[in-house]
Amino acid sequence: GAVVSQHPSWVICKSGTSVKIECRSLDFQATTMFWYRQFPKQSLMLMATSNEGSKATYEQGVEKDKFLINHASLTLSTLTVTSAHPEDSSFYICSATFHNNEQFFGPGTRLTVL
Amino acid sequence: QKEVEQDPGPLSVPEGAIVSLNCTYSNSAFQYFMWYRQYSRKGPELLMYTYSSGNKEDGRFTAQVDKSSKYISLFIRDSQPSDSATYLCAMRPQGRMSGSRLTFGEGTQLTVNP
Repeated sequence: GAVVSQHPSWVICKSGTSVKIECRSLDFQATTMFWYRQFPKQSLMLMATSNEGSKATYEQGVEKDKFLINHASLTLSTLTVTSAHPEDSSFYICSATFHNNEQFFGPGTRLTVL
Repeated sequence: QKEVEQDPGPLSVPEGAIVSLNCTYSNSAFQYFMWYRQYSRKGPELLMYTYSSGNKEDGRFTAQVDKSSKYISLFIRDSQPSDSATYLCAMRPQGRMSGSRLTFGEGTQLTVNP
């Protein structure tokens, strides 16, 4: 299957700081990338969908000013958690797809906000 | 009522057992069906990807889709301790307007005991 990477794999930050997470499709061009968050022992919760070169579409209840998504190229999307707070601590996972085919997931980024 | 129902388990079986994992769904528009395996603290890994009704086999894994009953299954033969993970079913409609947005089950936690 296709390879999707995320960086960093884990990050610890102080409350009030901003954190940027990168998602890259390594061996294919991703027309669409998705961002999920996952709490322990729960399924994935879709946060937003981003298409290259256009604004992200956020799911209901997800603050777009807090979770900034940029999909600058067909291989890179970034999620910035602005003014992070302890309740933002979670496992963030991205996925990528090419023209509505299979969706491949990154390894995830564990964010801990102190 | 959730669109996709999946028994969260946990499910514990001895090594070598045949494992059956199931999901039911209510949206008749779903056409593509997937099974993902997720190890603890990792991103989901695509195991099986099927379109419409029928069976698909890949090694020890068999996916079945019965659209008339809105029921999908994943069978694991000769289960191994390395199969211990959470298994997520996912599905989506056909068509460009719906995009690639997946609807996930809650995930079933499987433990295979040596």
